Amino acid sequence: GAGVSQSPSNKVTEKGKDVELRCDPISGHTALYWYRQSLGQGLEFLIYFQGNSAPDKSGLPSDRFSAERTGGSVSTLTIQRTQQEDSAVYLCASSSTYRDTGELFFGEGSRLTVL
Amino acid sequence: AQSVTQLGSHVSVSEGALVLLRCNYSSSVPPYLFWYVQYPNQGLQLLLKYTSAATLVKGINGFEAEFKKSETSFHLTKPSAHMSDAAEYFCAVSPNTGTASKLTFGTGTRLQVTL
Repeated sequence: GAGVSQSPSNKVTEKGKDVELRCDPISGHTALYWYRQSLGQGLEFLIYFQGNSAPDKSGLPSDRFSAERTGGSVSTLTIQRTQQEDSAVYLCASSSTYRDTGELFFGEGSRLTVL
Repeated sequence: AQSVTQLGSHVSVSEGALVLLRCNYSSSVPPYLFWYVQYPNQGLQLLLKYTSAATLVKGINGFEAEFKKSETSFHLTKPSAHMSDAAEYFCAVSPNTGTASKLTFGTGTRLQVTL
């Protein structure tokens, strides 16, 4: 597609349930990023993929959070046993490493609400 | 390690007045610097970027920013605010390494434009 696509756009779940958030990056972009945006917290880095590997996953808040990327394209962020503090907007971004200048292209985000 | 500090979580200006949003950075290596804008219920969109070329950078919608190494600043300005500029603005930094790497964002400044 033309831009970064994320699904679902909105997800309401009960505390303790697992959720999966999907990101489809811009075609040809080898780098993919997940950020979390909470009220008053700005954008918090979660994990970065180069191809299918994750050189930097230092931002994952706990072992309940995991992410994978397959085929150098689609990525899934999984949150197990969700807690109310996981409520946030999860943003995905991609960039091209060829002649890279660091610009990220963002999706519109997945808003997660944990009741 | 890199970081950015945005002074003022909320800024209010009158339509037609000067917009000044402040950003100071900390970086141990030459940085790339960015300003992104986020309109309600949308993802982030690049306004402008500094990648070690001209220190005065012009972006979209009449915005510009000046890289001042001596002050470690990258403040965003626009001579005359328009109602459509109301949004949240994020300053971000990444290392100038020539390869993709994560952006570190500030906590954002919400710009309000009044009549």
